[in-house]
Amino acid sequence: DIQMTQSPSSVSASVGDRVTITCRASQGISSWLAWYQHKPGKAPRVLIYAASSLQSGVPSRFSGSGSGTDFTLTISSLQPEDFATYYCQQANSFPMYTFGQGTKLEIK
Amino acid sequence: QVQLQESGPGLVKPSETLSLTCTVSGGSISSYYWSWIRQSPGKGLEWIGFIYYIGSTNYNPSLKSRVTISVDTSKNQFSLRLRSVTAADTAVYYCARVEMATGRYFDLWGRGTLVTVSS
Repeated sequence: DIQMTQSPSSVSASVGDRVTITCRASQGISSWLAWYQHKPGKAPRVLIYAASSLQSGVPSRFSGSGSGTDFTLTISSLQPEDFATYYCQQANSFPMYTFGQGTKLEIK
Repeated sequence: QVQLQESGPGLVKPSETLSLTCTVSGGSISSYYWSWIRQSPGKGLEWIGFIYYIGSTNYNPSLKSRVTISVDTSKNQFSLRLRSVTAADTAVYYCARVEMATGRYFDLWGRGTLVTVSS
């Protein structure tokens, strides 16, 4: 099984800050990676797919990069509505999907 | 716009079968793959399986012996059955649509439903 490891597991930041979350795969996954935002009690929301493609309707302050085993999600200027938990997900081992353990983004 | 809504019992007894339904509104269930994903308390997301609208399925090997996902296109619904549940199956269960064409990711999700396994 491909394991996905996110870091950090939690991060505190202020509105306007630039934040980067990383996701590392236990083996190469090409660009088969997506990023999700999840707020309590709400449906998770896809932000990035194919490692760097911005989902329609997602603000441009979100960006993704990487290929192979190392990936990053960057929020260029944090907004109040961005405080949430973020997950990466690999689909290289399709039809088996695995997720990272999550990164909780909190207000400093 | 397309919305997904999970429904089903919030409490299931150990050894019994967990049954959930996902209703797709605002769009057709046809021509898409549909999935179930769960999140146990304090843990990450776990993919359970998916079904294509014509009925073909794939399951997480760790759950395959206990899981059945089915689809009813006439009702625009798909369902999850998980047999012989234990406390470890307590989780929030999400249904989601799978975007296969561009990235094999989950582009729409329901808000989730908490299922507790307890006597």
